[in-house]
Amino acid sequence: DAGVIQSPRHEVTEMGQEVTLRCKPISGHNSLFWYRQTMMRGLELLIYFNNNVPIDDSGMPEDRFSAKMPNASFSTLKIQPSEPRDSAVYFCASSPYRGWETQYFGPGTRLLVL
Amino acid sequence: SQQGEEDPQALSIQEGENATMNCSYKTSINNLQWYRQNSGRGLVHLILIRSNEREKHSGRLRVTLDTSKKSSSLLITASRAADTASYFCALAEGGATNKLIFGTGTLLAVQP
Repeated sequence: DAGVIQSPRHEVTEMGQEVTLRCKPISGHNSLFWYRQTMMRGLELLIYFNNNVPIDDSGMPEDRFSAKMPNASFSTLKIQPSEPRDSAVYFCASSPYRGWETQYFGPGTRLLVL
Repeated sequence: SQQGEEDPQALSIQEGENATMNCSYKTSINNLQWYRQNSGRGLVHLILIRSNEREKHSGRLRVTLDTSKKSSSLLITASRAADTASYFCALAEGGATNKLIFGTGTLLAVQP
């Protein structure tokens, strides 16, 4: 199995630009999670999908962030417009179970907003 | 939602020694999980222990859970340099809270 696939692995952009992060979960997994990791705040859950439906988006920091899951094999996290404080590593994870069971993480996207 | 508090924040040991890290929490849980993160990589699930379990083993890993003290410990026996990583506990409150809450992690350095 290829595991969770994220792209791009690294992204450098300028403040104000739109950023789109992509995730392909493990086939057959019906839960998908987007996390953000920073030194200051640790690992934070941004949004959780189950069967392609957003279940909990209480961690999405503000309206500049949006996430979609149009089908079971693809999800995007979009930041528009981006700001320097959005610089972080963004992880996608998937699970064949409910949200509080074992999760399988992708390698992450390291985002730097200048 | 609560967050697990991990102790110590950093730990340095020699290869072959055992490493113990702890996680404490405040309210009831459905399960508690431990993950490892190597530098620059994603998290890898190590072990899950449910609220009605007291101890689980996986290879060189041993996890205990004391729900009366609201704490868990992860023991890595006969450590290797490859065990150098950050270790996170993650709390699953279950029920309506359909998510894991990750602690701040313990940075383990195993010196060869």
